[in-house]
Amino acid sequence: GQNIDQPTEMTATEGAIVQINCTYQTSGFNGLFWYQQHAGEAPTFLSYNVLDGLEEKGRFSSFLSRSKGYSYLLLKELQMKDSASYLCAVRDGASNYQLIWGAGTKLIIKP
Amino acid sequence: KAGVTQTPRYLIKTRGQQVTLSCSPISGHRSVSWYQQTPGQGLQFLFEYFSETQRNKGNFPGRFSGRQFSNSRSEMNVSTLELGDSALYLCASSSGDPYTGELFFGEGSRLTVL
Repeated sequence: GQNIDQPTEMTATEGAIVQINCTYQTSGFNGLFWYQQHAGEAPTFLSYNVLDGLEEKGRFSSFLSRSKGYSYLLLKELQMKDSASYLCAVRDGASNYQLIWGAGTKLIIKP
Repeated sequence: KAGVTQTPRYLIKTRGQQVTLSCSPISGHRSVSWYQQTPGQGLQFLFEYFSETQRNKGNFPGRFSGRQFSNSRSEMNVSTLELGDSALYLCASSSGDPYTGELFFGEGSRLTVL
């Protein structure tokens, strides 16, 4: 079956580093996305991984291990504006390339 | 270029009524997906349209339907509204490329059913 797991909520301190994990089970993995969603707003695209390894984009990095069904989003030098929900989604080639979404991780940044 | 436009942004209906929501995708995008989001819940997939054909469908009752027009604009309809249908309905457009197509979301239509 299809399943994506993320922690429900995490808390971190301004200026610190936080890692948000995502584990998945799909029949036909075809890429993993991370999206950011501020309260009351639409999700916005952060990163896309299809091959194993680390993709770095400014303060944000995303890692993928296909053999382990595992990804993480790493946020460095945390700012108050990073308080948001972070959604992990996997494209499933066995389901006509449908995106399967995790429930999201609510990240709370404290001063 | 213009983003994804959803209308209306807010609406209030009563139980038993029906509602139609509209989505205009980014110019050139041929895929439109619809999602339901309730507080504390992840994105629940409703359906995806690509070139006027429904390509994927989620696990929602038949009261939820959609369509896509030749200009890629899409509408979704919910009939016989229930209280539990109160949610943010998000539309997302993409190029339709099954391998890399990222989704671009609209601001959503917030539906309240009384």
